[in-house]
Amino acid sequence: ETGVTQTPRHLVMGMTNKKSLKCEQHLGHNAMYWYKQSAKKPLELMFVYSLEERVENNSVPSRFSPECPNSSHLFLHLHTLQPEDSALYLCASSQEGREGLNEQFFGPGTRLTVL
Amino acid sequence: KQEVTQIPAALSVPEGENLVLNCSFTDSAIYNLQWFRQDPGKGLTSLLLIQSSQREQTSGRLNASLDKSSGRSTLYIAASQPGDSATYLCAVIAHGQNFVFGPGTRLSVLP
Repeated sequence: ETGVTQTPRHLVMGMTNKKSLKCEQHLGHNAMYWYKQSAKKPLELMFVYSLEERVENNSVPSRFSPECPNSSHLFLHLHTLQPEDSALYLCASSQEGREGLNEQFFGPGTRLTVL
Repeated sequence: KQEVTQIPAALSVPEGENLVLNCSFTDSAIYNLQWFRQDPGKGLTSLLLIQSSQREQTSGRLNASLDKSSGRSTLYIAASQPGDSATYLCAVIAHGQNFVFGPGTRLSVLP
């Protein structure tokens, strides 16, 4: 248990569905992240929220929409996804601002399958 | 742009062996490097974090070293066990940037 939880753990959705992924951290961190992990590819950073403000989105398609209502919760809203969006979606948190740290802690991930 | 590579891509060893996993990065201006373990279909578990001012960190049978000037880090696993079987990833972060991950080394320790 890393202190970062994600729900659901598994999700199957059609291309016309709308769903949301949820992440919650219990570590008192001030930054949260969404990553995508596809088969045989390195981890890809999707979104970063620092102090609840989005600081980076790395040109992610608009069918992915993040939301960070407070420093402990992070959502990823999904709509009209494509089969190639099937992947493991990982949430992480860290404490920014102290030089030399920013250690990241990850949740267990949501395995998403788009039919 | 920072790039991270890991060698080997996969490794299979008999139980009890000592082994070394390698991580290389192109931009040496990092302020820390983190090693993770990932079991199949699961999230990442942090193993060790080395700050830029440090040369190595140890945790149990794991020892990670950092040579910033050459852009390299190694993860040494002593007396490997079947439970060590997993994918090991390294990630680096530079000031004002986000973590960049390597592709990982898939380790199998055979009983």
